[in-house]
Amino acid sequence: EVQLVESGGGLVQPGGSLRVSCAASGFIFSRYSMNWVRQAPGKGLEWISYINSSSGAIYYADSVKGRFTISRDNAKNSLYLQMNSLRDEDTAVYYCARGLMDYWGRGALVTVSS
Amino acid sequence: DIQMTQSPSTLSTSVGDRVTITCRASQNIDSWLAWYQQKPGKAPNLLIYMASNLESGVPSRFSGSGSGTEFTLTISSLRPDDFATYYCQQYNSYPYTFGQGTKLEIK
Repeated sequence: EVQLVESGGGLVQPGGSLRVSCAASGFIFSRYSMNWVRQAPGKGLEWISYINSSSGAIYYADSVKGRFTISRDNAKNSLYLQMNSLRDEDTAVYYCARGLMDYWGRGALVTVSS
Repeated sequence: DIQMTQSPSTLSTSVGDRVTITCRASQNIDSWLAWYQQKPGKAPNLLIYMASNLESGVPSRFSGSGSGTEFTLTISSLRPDDFATYYCQQYNSYPYTFGQGTKLEIK
């Protein structure tokens, strides 16, 4: 069974940093690209980043470019999102999603507030 | 960036109704379109990929059509479990973009 489990969410002050992780199981992680998608409270879905299977291709939404870094460790079946210079508007549930987004994790809530 | 516009934003419907949701892309995306269903507090669930392909395990009352810039998601006969929010998403080019969502409400 494919499973994606996010962790590392929490409360952080504006300007702070946080790293969210996604642990993958039930499929050959190293063969799939991965994405991060977020959803602010009461709002719609926003794609924020993509990484291909070998980490050779990475893309970001303009809203996070220069502040967020996506990475992966295929040996650990894990995906990461390092978030720096956090802003109030980054408050959201952060989901990891496999490939063409056929499987999603349950999400990790990140709250940016003083 | 490619803008995705869904209509309507909200739809009041009844069990058994036929429902159609429209999604328009600001430029040609061929068939690089997906539809998702999301229930409150849950992750989105993929329904349709490549505009018209039903994801495994999704009931056949869901169908998708269209190509280029205009797409539709149809639910042939609404069931109680279908009251949710639906999103379209293009994956023709980065940044991937979603429509603003269509919420199905009970009339």
